[in-house]
Amino acid sequence: GQQLNQSPQSMFIQEGEDVSMNCTSSSIFNTWLWYKQDPGEGPVLLIALYKAGELTSNGRLTAQFGITRKDSFLNISASIPSDVGIYFCAGQLGTYKYIFGTGTRLKVLA
Amino acid sequence: SAVISQKPSRDICQRGTSLTIQCQVDSQVTMMFWYRQQPGQSLTLIATANQGSEATYESGFVIDKFPISRPNLTFSTLTVSNMSPEDSSIYLCSVRGPLSNLDRVGYGYTFGSGTRLTVV
Repeated sequence: GQQLNQSPQSMFIQEGEDVSMNCTSSSIFNTWLWYKQDPGEGPVLLIALYKAGELTSNGRLTAQFGITRKDSFLNISASIPSDVGIYFCAGQLGTYKYIFGTGTRLKVLA
Repeated sequence: SAVISQKPSRDICQRGTSLTIQCQVDSQVTMMFWYRQQPGQSLTLIATANQGSEATYESGFVIDKFPISRPNLTFSTLTVSNMSPEDSSIYLCSVRGPLSNLDRVGYGYTFGSGTRLTVV
């Protein structure tokens, strides 16, 4: 079945550094969503991408929908301690169904 | 974005018992979705709950184990039946709708804060 692989699985970075993570699949998706999950909370939507090649920003976050529609990346600039959490990508399969990536665990060292 | 309230936020249950999780949305939605997140894992869709019809279950999930109710457009329940330690997970309710927390128009999924279930 479809699977979304995220890399890296986890990363430790220094405060102020830029972060880059990506999500790849063998399947083509129509929409990509990026979520962040804090401990004990549900995922919160960060960015939504709707067209191949689209580049979208939300504050310090930038995400791109890969031109092949099989991948997406998320960049975080000038990381801060509250960026710590698990970042999930999600790709749209059917009209309402999404599958989620394996997650990237981010830890920021002050 | 819709605001979703889930209850309970966490519970510790004995094996063989059942737990019903409630999900309340502050607006009317056609479809509600139930996800499971096993420890350290990603989110897996259990079923889609439509008001007025039976829920649609994903492969690997069955109604006898995870019965779902959807009595109206703002509420749903998921029951985890005859629990075993393997059912220990976070269970999340989600709805799809227009987004107001991004700087653009679009649709996405909003999640509740989840129910952390531990089965002993």
